[in-house]
Amino acid sequence: GAVVSQHPSRVICKSGTSVKIECRSLDFQATTMFWYRQFPKKSLMLMATSNEGSKATYEQGVEKDKFLINHASLTLSTLTVTSAHPEDSSFYICAGQGSYANTGELFFGEGSRLTVL
Amino acid sequence: AQSVTQPDIHITVSEGASLELRCNYSYGATPYLFWYVQSPGQGLQLLLKYFSGDTLVQGIKGFEAEFKRSQSSFNLRKPSVHWSDAAEYFCAVGADNDMRFGAGTRLTVKP
Repeated sequence: GAVVSQHPSRVICKSGTSVKIECRSLDFQATTMFWYRQFPKKSLMLMATSNEGSKATYEQGVEKDKFLINHASLTLSTLTVTSAHPEDSSFYICAGQGSYANTGELFFGEGSRLTVL
Repeated sequence: AQSVTQPDIHITVSEGASLELRCNYSYGATPYLFWYVQSPGQGLQLLLKYFSGDTLVQGIKGFEAEFKRSQSSFNLRKPSVHWSDAAEYFCAVGADNDMRFGAGTRLTVKP
């Protein structure tokens, strides 16, 4: 299957700083990138959906000024957590949907565990 | 509104026993249907998927799922569970530009 590479896998930052998470589709063009957040022992909560070259569509309750999503190319999308606070600590997962097999299947990154001190 | 329901939060089965994990959905049209498995601290792995055609789909690790349009269900089954199947299982439903996940079912396997 197609591969999505997500970095960093773990990051620890101080409160008030910003953190960028990258997702790259390695062997397909991700026309759509989904960003999910997962709390411990909980399901994946869709944060936003982004299409290449367009502004991201955020789910209700997700602060778009806090969680900046950029999808500038068909192989790269980034999530920047701005002015991070301890409550932003979570597991963030990206998933690409696109040209591979053209079936709507999502290909997930490995996830990024963010800890805000 | 689109929604995915996994009614069982936690299921415990004995090794070698059969397994069925339930998934029901509400969607505007026939969506794409997926089952994913997640081991602790890990990402998600696709078990199987349904887009069209035969309503009984086979996946990896001996799993299968059946799409029942009349019941809006896509239940996951395995005839004989192995200890290594212990994990969290997520049903996902969606289409292009949209993908929703159920709350997940945690599977515990007893020796």
